[in-house]
Amino acid sequence: NAGVTQTPKFQVLKTGQSMTLQCAQDMNHNSMYWYRQDPGMGLRLIYYSASEGTTDKGEVPNGYNVSRLNKREFSLRLESAAPSQTSVYFCASSGRNQPQHFGDGTRLSIL
Amino acid sequence: GENVEQHPSTLSVQEGDSAVIKCTYSDSASNYFPWYKQELGKGPQLIIDIRSNVGEKKDQRIAVTLNKTAKHFSLHITETQPEDSAVYFCAASKISGANNLFFGTGTRLTVIP
Repeated sequence: NAGVTQTPKFQVLKTGQSMTLQCAQDMNHNSMYWYRQDPGMGLRLIYYSASEGTTDKGEVPNGYNVSRLNKREFSLRLESAAPSQTSVYFCASSGRNQPQHFGDGTRLSIL
Repeated sequence: GENVEQHPSTLSVQEGDSAVIKCTYSDSASNYFPWYKQELGKGPQLIIDIRSNVGEKKDQRIAVTLNKTAKHFSLHITETQPEDSAVYFCAASKISGANNLFFGTGTRLTVIP
């Protein structure tokens, strides 16, 4: 099925390790997003890419970096993981002025 | 930035009854208001959205109303069914090239058969 694909689905890291979360969409969307979801806090935007070649900070960018590899792919990197980054991470994409479509998430635990 | 508040946090209804979830937003420049349904282990799925140039939108058993003056919007689900049980999120944004969404904290809806 067409949509947003995230890998991996689950990951456990130790404090200080690095990790890249991958996201790919096949809907030819211009914009892509990374959110984190924590209990009782809804989804919060980490970084977004309005179009290929551009990236911007969202509400909670500290401790993360992103790369818009091409129009299809948008990765999120944790350089030195911390327990506070334990969360569920969602990638989304959208066409211009269109609704966002979400992947099924990456569940990340940092010990 | 935008602040979206959502109530209630949990809601239980009998099958066939209606459910209403309410959200308020703070930024008067916000002009796009989607509602997402999230099932266990899945990503949020858009169920309905509304733009600020209309006051109400309906899609079968689901409707959304918007009061721009009060900065308030609501989701109405009629004739609820057990498969409506999920977590529902409201969100707000300013439509532009990339519409960055600000989410409410979610409502866990349980439909009792």
